[in-house]
Amino acid sequence: GQNIDQPTEMTATEGAIVQINCTYQTSGFNGLFWYQQHAGEAPTFLSYNVLDGLEEKGRFSSFLSRSKGYSYLLLKELQMKDSASYLCAVMDSNYQLIWGAGTKLIIKP
Amino acid sequence: GAVVSQHPSRVICKSGTSVKIECRSLDFQATTMFWYRQFPKQSLMLMATSNEGSKATYEQGVEKDKFLINHASLTLSTLTVTSAHPEDSSFYICSASEGGSDGGEQYFGPGTRLTVT
Repeated sequence: GQNIDQPTEMTATEGAIVQINCTYQTSGFNGLFWYQQHAGEAPTFLSYNVLDGLEEKGRFSSFLSRSKGYSYLLLKELQMKDSASYLCAVMDSNYQLIWGAGTKLIIKP
Repeated sequence: GAVVSQHPSRVICKSGTSVKIECRSLDFQATTMFWYRQFPKQSLMLMATSNEGSKATYEQGVEKDKFLINHASLTLSTLTVTSAHPEDSSFYICSASEGGSDGGEQYFGPGTRLTVT
């Protein structure tokens, strides 16, 4: 079966760095997405990785290793507004999105 | 974990026809279902929020007469794209929540890719 795993919840301190991991087992691979979702709002696109390596975009970076079925989202210089759920999703060979359950990130002062 | 399915996974239709997309919560009762539209590498755009047994709430700019939403039961919501045009071609994603529109986790469906020719 197809499966995406990510931690349920993480806590970090304002100003620090946090890494949210995502592992996946899917039938085929056409890219991996990271979204941020604040409570009551629509998910916001953060990143898309289809090739191995690190993609950096400001305070957020996303890494992909296709051979390991592994990705992480790295958030630097954490701010209180980064408190949200972070969703990992993989597009499979049929171009269907397989969603992780999301990681709730709690930022403490 | 909670599972949300969508049917069909992909559909091609001719301009002017209507297409119905189903969203089902398979192992839980969804008080609220959400319909999103996604363009490549962009954020999900919320189209409407539907609560079981009541009329859907549409986001600004979304035509309610064109995108008909029915949430007739706690496990099924449908989105009908009426008189589809090529610009309606997109990836439509639904999600379902047990806890209402501003609380509770959302579980996302795999999406439906609509192509209008």
